[in-house]
Amino acid sequence: LAKTTQPISMDSYEGQEVNITCSHNNIATNDYITWYQQFPSQGPRFIIQGYKTKVTNEVASLFIPADRKSSTLSLPRVSLSDTAVYYCLVGDEGGSYIPTFGRGTSLIVHP
Amino acid sequence: ETGVTQTPRHLVMGMTNKKSLKCEQHLGHNAMYWYKQSAKKPLELMFVYSLEERVENNSVPSRFSPECPNSSHLFLHLHTLQPEDSALYLCASSQGWPARGTEAFFGQGTRLTVV
Repeated sequence: LAKTTQPISMDSYEGQEVNITCSHNNIATNDYITWYQQFPSQGPRFIIQGYKTKVTNEVASLFIPADRKSSTLSLPRVSLSDTAVYYCLVGDEGGSYIPTFGRGTSLIVHP
Repeated sequence: ETGVTQTPRHLVMGMTNKKSLKCEQHLGHNAMYWYKQSAKKPLELMFVYSLEERVENNSVPSRFSPECPNSSHLFLHLHTLQPEDSALYLCASSQGWPARGTEAFFGQGTRLTVV
């Protein structure tokens, strides 16, 4: 079972910044935090990954507080094409390293 | 193109048929996965193959049978399926474990319809 909690859905408008927070209270010491994006009828696509503090790449930023019990994916200036489901992953509930997905956050970007 | 190729992309089969889904990765990864995604549900891990171990979700019915002949190929053999098995079946691969700092690459999936 996944051990992450995310909002089920979010709405935004084109050009806005979107922040999606994920709770992972029982994250293991060695776990990384990974975010994936999935469009309908396609496989998930890696967005960003981090262990602590802040990570930034060309599409997103990931903020991780010192206690690592949560993380926030930040999408700057979203467009309609960012409408998708976003998943936050850490290790498996059983302590293994297998990527286990929760329900994710369905982001809808409006014109 | 993610480097993980699944065939076929679409499959319609009767409940008495036997079919196989194929996955091939060209990334040199050492772990491969099968996931099932039913409508409006999260991805459900079915099987994992890695150099160290094979892991399976105990809730997966025996009518699904995985095969991993080498590190680049993964099959999912299907027989006597039920209509509720209709779903998107996704294959993924990774070098090491994603929760330990690597990335999983997914194929485009096979849309399976059982009639």
